[in-house]
Amino acid sequence: KAGVTQTPRYLIKTRGQQVTLSCSPISGHRSVSWYQQTPGQGLQFLFEYFSETQRNKGNFPGRFSGRQFSNSRSEMNVSTLELGDSALYLCASSFGDSRDTEAFFGQGTRLTVV
Amino acid sequence: SQQGEEDPQALSIQEGENATMNCSYKTSINNLQWYRQNSGRGLVHLILIRSNEREKHSGRLRVTLDTSKKSSSLLITASRAADTASYFCATDYRGTYKYIFGTGTRLKVLA
Repeated sequence: KAGVTQTPRYLIKTRGQQVTLSCSPISGHRSVSWYQQTPGQGLQFLFEYFSETQRNKGNFPGRFSGRQFSNSRSEMNVSTLELGDSALYLCASSFGDSRDTEAFFGQGTRLTVV
Repeated sequence: SQQGEEDPQALSIQEGENATMNCSYKTSINNLQWYRQNSGRGLVHLILIRSNEREKHSGRLRVTLDTSKKSSSLLITASRAADTASYFCATDYRGTYKYIFGTGTRLKVLA
């Protein structure tokens, strides 16, 4: 069974640009969550989608957005990039149909903003 | 901050010794999950313990949960050099699907 796949693995962008990250969940999983990991702030929750609907959102500015498609794949977009957006972006998938399901993470996308 | 706290922040032990790390959290939970992360890569799921469970085992891992103290511990027995990693606990925030991660414990196992 394939795991959670995130693309691209590495990305370098310039301040002011926008970026789109992709996450393909484990087959059968309908919930996808996104997290930002930085040395200073640790792992911070961005948002969670289930069956194309955003169920939860973290405390990030509106420049961070996401969506989920009917095949459960999810994309995350960051507009007007800032240097502070440099981070490892992780997505996690789970069945999401109960609150006791395990969440499995991808390898992450390392975004560097210069 | 909504983050849980883990202690110690860093732990260095010899191969074969046991490693214990603790996690404290702030809100009511449905479950708590432990993860391992190697060198800034993805997180590997280790174990999930539900709020009505007190102890759970998986191989060399033993997790306990004390909801009255809002704390959990992860014990790795007979540690190996390959266990060197950062370990995180994650709790579902007020029973939602939003997970709050602890600050992590950096474990180094010396061969």
